[in-house]
Amino acid sequence: EPEVTQTPSHQVTQMGQEVILRCVPISNHLYFYWYRQILGQKVEFLVSFYNNEISEKSEIFDDQFSVERPDGSNFTLKIRSTKLEDSAMYFCASKRTELSSYNEQFFGPGTRLTVL
Amino acid sequence: GEDVEQSLFLSVREGDSSVINCTYTDSSSTYLYWYKQEPGAGLQLLTYIFSNMDMKQDQRLTVLLNKKDKHLSLRIADTQTGDSAIYFCAEITFSGSARQLTFGSGTQLTVLP
Repeated sequence: EPEVTQTPSHQVTQMGQEVILRCVPISNHLYFYWYRQILGQKVEFLVSFYNNEISEKSEIFDDQFSVERPDGSNFTLKIRSTKLEDSAMYFCASKRTELSSYNEQFFGPGTRLTVL
Repeated sequence: GEDVEQSLFLSVREGDSSVINCTYTDSSSTYLYWYKQEPGAGLQLLTYIFSNMDMKQDQRLTVLLNKKDKHLSLRIADTQTGDSAIYFCAEITFSGSARQLTFGSGTQLTVLP
């Protein structure tokens, strides 16, 4: 069964460093998302991406964040200068179409980002 | 903004029924979802309900929706130790032109042998 994959599973970085989190969505999906979950808190929407551009972004998704679909398979989240408060689990999700019968977003296993 | 609330913890004995409750605020939600998160794993869609339904049953899972009270529940019959996980309620909300999932804080279900 096709699934969303994410790499790495755990990333440790120093404050101020740039990180790139990678996702490979399901191959025939058209809508892509990033969510994050700070330990013990809710899963929060960051950004949605469709047709090679951002559809919507939350207040969390400031200028330090960017997303890219550099080729036909990868979907990346870049954090330019990480802060301690960026430590969280980051989930990628994809969805086939906006007209999916029940709008299911398929989630990857997540990347745990630890900023020291 | 839109919000989804859940109780944080629930413990049940193996074989009993579990009921996980959720309240939401966006009355325009078309779909409401229950996701399961096992330790170290991603979010797995368990079941969903369309907003014009009151109830949906899927094997051991029963979803009840009270639109008037904006209350959603998930009942797991004959709960097993493998059901131990965090369960997230989520709704589709519109933000600008895009739909996004708004999640509750998750309910940690512990199944005791």
